Amino acid sequence: TQLLEQSPQFLSIQEGENLTVYCNSSSVFSSLQWYRQEPGEGPVLLVTVVTGGEVKKLKRLTFQFGDARKDSSLHITAAQPGDTGLYLCAGAHIIQGAQKLVFGQGTRLTINP
Amino acid sequence: DTGVSQDPRHKITKRGQNVTFRCDPISEHNRLYWYRQTLGQGPEFLTYFQNEAQLEKSRLLSDRFSAERPKGSFSTLEIQRTEQGDSAMYLCASSLSGALTNEKLFFGSGTQLSVL
Repeated sequence: TQLLEQSPQFLSIQEGENLTVYCNSSSVFSSLQWYRQEPGEGPVLLVTVVTGGEVKKLKRLTFQFGDARKDSSLHITAAQPGDTGLYLCAGAHIIQGAQKLVFGQGTRLTINP
Repeated sequence: DTGVSQDPRHKITKRGQNVTFRCDPISEHNRLYWYRQTLGQGPEFLTYFQNEAQLEKSRLLSDRFSAERPKGSFSTLEIQRTEQGDSAMYLCASSLSGALTNEKLFFGSGTQLSVL
């Protein structure tokens, strides 16, 4: 079983602080995706990183793919209450012509005003 | 709204009963996925369709589970003789075939199953 370990599982910080969420695995993935999920809804894709060492920025969010394509991080600068939610990383394997995603258990982030 | 639609949103059933869920993907999407998510965990892959062909099934999918996509459009997931361990959110996702590393999955809001 290929596992993705996310840390921390829970994080509660004050508005304006910075934070980093980590996603680690012993497996190599063809790509690494980050999702955000609201209660009672499905995950929504934030970003896909493909190349080892790749860095992508989405406003205050910075995503990095490890050089060996086994791990990734999500850094949020100056967190806002609207960033509150469940963040999931997912590693992709190509099987039978499609992506099979292996998800981490998620990081539940709470930003306090 | 042209997103992925799942029905019902919630299903409560008694152990031993059969249940069926429906997923309507985004209309031009030819790939359709089913995932299952239990409380406090990330989604787990169940099965995948390319058009009407079921190309991959997880070992999580016991013989009580069956999925179909008869005309390459909507899909159904049936669970026979439900067990309490089947309680979970069942998520459907669809995508359009293209460069796999850039494939973008669109998830529905899921069907929350509770087996009493």
